[in-house]
Formats: sequence, C-alpha cells, structure tokens
Amino acid sequence: DVKVTQSSRYLVKRTGEKVFLECVQDMDHENMFWYRQDPGLGLRLIYFSYDVKMKEKGDIPEGYSVSREKKERFSLILESASTNQTSMYLCASSLPLQVLYGYTFGSGTRLTVV
Amino acid sequence: AQSVTQPDIHITVSEGASLELRCNYSYGATPYLFWYVQSPGQGLQLLLKYFSGDTLVQGIKGFEAEFKRSQSSFNLRKPSVHWSDAAEYFCAVGGGGGGNKLTFGTGTQLKVEL
Repeated sequence: DVKVTQSSRYLVKRTGEKVFLECVQDMDHENMFWYRQDPGLGLRLIYFSYDVKMKEKGDIPEGYSVSREKKERFSLILESASTNQTSMYLCASSLPLQVLYGYTFGSGTRLTVV
Repeated sequence: AQSVTQPDIHITVSEGASLELRCNYSYGATPYLFWYVQSPGQGLQLLLKYFSGDTLVQGIKGFEAEFKRSQSSFNLRKPSVHWSDAAEYFCAVGGGGGGNKLTFGTGTQLKVEL
C-alpha cells in the first residue's frame, strides 16, 4: 500500500526556534506538497515541488521554506517559529499530472508553538 | 483563479438518514473535482473524483456525487448514514489552469446522532 509518512504526529516548539517537519513517500511520486489546516480555513497550500531541488510557493509561503534534496523526501522549515504557526501540517504527494487522480496524504503533524 | 465553497460548516444527521453535503466551485474550464474525508487525527482519504464522463460518480464507503455544470456544483450524497461516517469532508478542485495543484474548500464537519 502506498504511503506518505510524516515523522512526527505531535510537536511542541518554542517561539524563535527553527523547526523541521519531515515527509517521506514510498511511491516514487514526483510531486509533493505541504498544506496547513486550520479550523474554518480548510487546507491552504504552503509550498510544493515538482521534482528534486525544485520548489514553488503556494498561497501562504511567508515564514516557511522547503527542501527537496531527494525525490522521496520533502521538508518544511519554519525559520523562526511563531505562535501563529501553531497548526496542523499535512504533506501530500502525487504523480505528474495526477491531479486527475488526487493526492495521497500523510497523517499530519500537529505543531504547537509556545 | 480556482476556488471552492462549502457553505455548511457543520451538519448533524441521524444515523440511517440521507446526507447531502454541498460544494460549489469556480473554475475557468472543465474542472477536476474531488471529495476527501478526514477522520479525527488522520490525514485525508480520497472518497471519489470526477474529471469527465458520467456526471454521477460513485466512490468508496457508499458515497456518490453529482457534477452539475450549470450550477457549478459537486454535491456529495449518501442514502443512509452510519455512525462511522462522522468526520470532516473536504471538496477540492484542480485542473490544467492550476497545474498539479488542488484547491480545497473549508470543510464540512459531519456529526451523526445515534
């Protein structure tokens, strides 16, 4: 069964810390995505990547960066965590042009910044 | 730009009753439409998708959805709800204009009364 794995289910970090959220997929997918999910706001796209070392900004990239050094791994980086980045973070992947078939999602990382 | 509206934030139905969750989209061409379900503490699971052909599509867990171009709608239905259907449901739209990106609605939280 195909899988997208997010390294942490729950994470608590302090304001100002640099935070790494890791996502690994075992499906050889080219496309990977990071969303944040907030009540009443649904899912909002932070960054996505179509290939290794490629990245594009989504709708809310401010305060975040990403890294894709290997095809299977896509990392989300909070350069200096702030309390307004407390949220659920969801990683997803898909094949090229597979928007036709939807994404495969990880189980999410719930991040609390104190 | 593509967008999705889910007008109902919360819906409560009795077990065994029928269900309809509303979804309206905005997209310049033929859209690719999806419904996802998220159980508490989990990632999103694809229920069904539409991108061409028969406008009534069947999905997993007994769900179906109907694409109505004239109304820009893609409502999700189930004839008889089970207590295990309690979850959050997201409608999403994607397509050529948006590349490989999906745009999600804000979600509808379904509560099932026993």
